[in-house]
Order: sequence, then structure tokens, then C-alpha cells
Amino acid sequence: NAGVTQTPKFQVLKTGQSMTLQCAQDMNHEYMSWYRQDPGMGLRLIHYSVGAGITDQGEVPNGYNVSRSTTEDFPLRLLSAAPSQTSVYFCASSLTGDGYTFGSGTRLTVV
Amino acid sequence: AQSVTQPDIHITVSEGASLELRCNYSYGATPYLFWYVQSPGQGLQLLLKYFSGDTLVQGIKGFEAEFKRSQSSFNLRKPSVHWSDAAEYFCAVGPFSGGYNKLIFGAGTRLAVHP
Repeated sequence: NAGVTQTPKFQVLKTGQSMTLQCAQDMNHEYMSWYRQDPGMGLRLIHYSVGAGITDQGEVPNGYNVSRSTTEDFPLRLLSAAPSQTSVYFCASSLTGDGYTFGSGTRLTVV
Repeated sequence: AQSVTQPDIHITVSEGASLELRCNYSYGATPYLFWYVQSPGQGLQLLLKYFSGDTLVQGIKGFEAEFKRSQSSFNLRKPSVHWSDAAEYFCAVGPFSGGYNKLIFGAGTRLAVHP
């Protein structure tokens, strides 16, 4: 039982490049979400999904795109990377929405 | 607007000493409250949660937290700290909107443990 798997673990991008952060869970959880973690700011919600085909914006959605075509996968796309998107990104999932399982994170640096 | 404040950025305790990490929240209704722990380079692990009922909540790893509505607080405690408890701790409040808990996190408290 792998839980929540995020790939890659580390990534360096040049400004303007695009990329997709992958997130997969094998627990049949309906709820999935993406957070970014920045020093001194805790975690902030980027986008979330309450089931396949349903997504919505969180607190800091600008510059990011998501889709949820299956229950298992919830990829996060950076459309045109900016230095302000340098952060650690966490994917999380939950069966009932009341307590989340987090992945181990993706550390992204935009130069 | 909902918010979570963790007043202490860094705390250092000696191994075996007691611990209390503070958390204050701002929320208009009865909150869902969580404590998570993050070890270096790792994701977040749920320590405990409060939704309703008994205001003293027991969690994993010997932690407990007490919900005090009058003080808008949800402080985390442990009677005797172990060196392995060194980590960053996050308090979160979850507004329940549309069947989904959008978690709002505090900035975190980094705990160091002296041998």
C-alpha cells in the first residue's frame, strides 16, 4: 500500500518552462488537494478536487492548473514557471475530507 | 476570515521535559481542528484531530490536545518529550464547506530537543 506518491522529488526549472507534478494515491480516496509550503507561511491550498471530474481553486491558484480524470491521479501543471513558484509542493488525499494523508513532497526551484 | 496563529516559531526543550505548543484560531463556527507533524524532508503526518465531543483529544506518539472554545485555542501537549519528537508542528483548522475540509494551516512551530 503506497499511500500518496509524488514525482519527481526534486526539480529545477528555468523561468517560462512548463511542467507537471504528478500525484497518485492507491487508497480510493475521493478528496485530493495540492498545497505549497513556503518558509514561515505554513501550507497554502492551491487546488483541490472532491472527485473525478471535479476540481476547484484554493487560496493561491494563479499560475497552476489541475485536472482529475481518474480517482487515483491528480496532476498539477505549472503553465509558465516563475521564480515565485519556487517552493515545496505537497499532494494530499482523504477518504472523507476530515484528515488527510500527505505525500512526501516535490521540491521545485525556478531559476 | 479564518486564520490560524502559532505564536512560537521555535521551541527548544530538554529530553524528558513536558511540552506545550500553542495554537489559536479565528473562525466563526465550530471548527474542525488538526495537528500535523513534519519530520525533515518528509510529508505531514496527522497527530490528532478534533471535531466535537470531549475537548481533550488523544493522538498518536503520546500527544494530546485540548480544545478551549472560550480562548479559541487548541494547544498540543506531551508530558515527556523524546529526541525523536524533534520536528515541525502545524496546527490547522478545516472549514467544512460543501463536504470538503479546506485546511488552513498555521506557520508552524519548529521543535528542537536537547539530550
